[in-house]
Amino acid sequence: AQSVSQHNHHVILSEAASLELGCNYSYGGTVNLFWYVQYPGQHLQLLLKYFSGDPLVKGIKGFEAEFIKSKFSFNLRKPSVQWSDTAEYFCAVNSNTGNQFYFGTGTSLTVIP
Amino acid sequence: EAGVTQFPSHSVIEKGQTVTLRCDPISGHDNLYWYRRVMGKEIKFLLHFVKESKQDESGMPNNRFLAERTGGTYSTLKVQPAELEDSGVYFCASSQGDEQYFGPGTRLTVT
Repeated sequence: AQSVSQHNHHVILSEAASLELGCNYSYGGTVNLFWYVQYPGQHLQLLLKYFSGDPLVKGIKGFEAEFIKSKFSFNLRKPSVQWSDTAEYFCAVNSNTGNQFYFGTGTSLTVIP
Repeated sequence: EAGVTQFPSHSVIEKGQTVTLRCDPISGHDNLYWYRRVMGKEIKFLLHFVKESKQDESGMPNNRFLAERTGGTYSTLKVQPAELEDSGVYFCASSQGDEQYFGPGTRLTVT
């Protein structure tokens, strides 16, 4: 079975600090990778996704993620966080033969002004 | 375009009672998914509809959970009878391709 690990459960940063959230997955086949964000009181929204091609993908709001196949990782990065980035971030995986998503436990990010 | 909507947003019920959650997917989306997040844990897949048919219900925890999608439009998820461990946030998502669009979730509290 597939599984997704997010190593950081709670992250607190000051504005302008750089962010990297770890995500590792276990699955031997071809996968699609996603990062979703849930701002306080809002829906889960897609930040970015990787299906194939350039392993460095850029998403909305200045976020990017790098797929490293050899490490089974898809870490999320942002060079300079803002207070408005305070949210919960979820890494998710699905196989290209299946539809269900496998999510990590989520990382709660608090950005201090 | 309206997004995925869920009703109710919150539900508090006593153990042994019945609760029905509703999800309205984005119009035209054939795929509808139910997920659940128990506090502090990962969002877990429950089941997947393609139109009105259950494509995959491998994540349904037990037979107290019944999902339907009559006519291939909205879906309901009934929990009967509810147990304490059923508390959590129930998310619905719909898709017509690779990206799933999520609803706001229903927070269910069983006391």
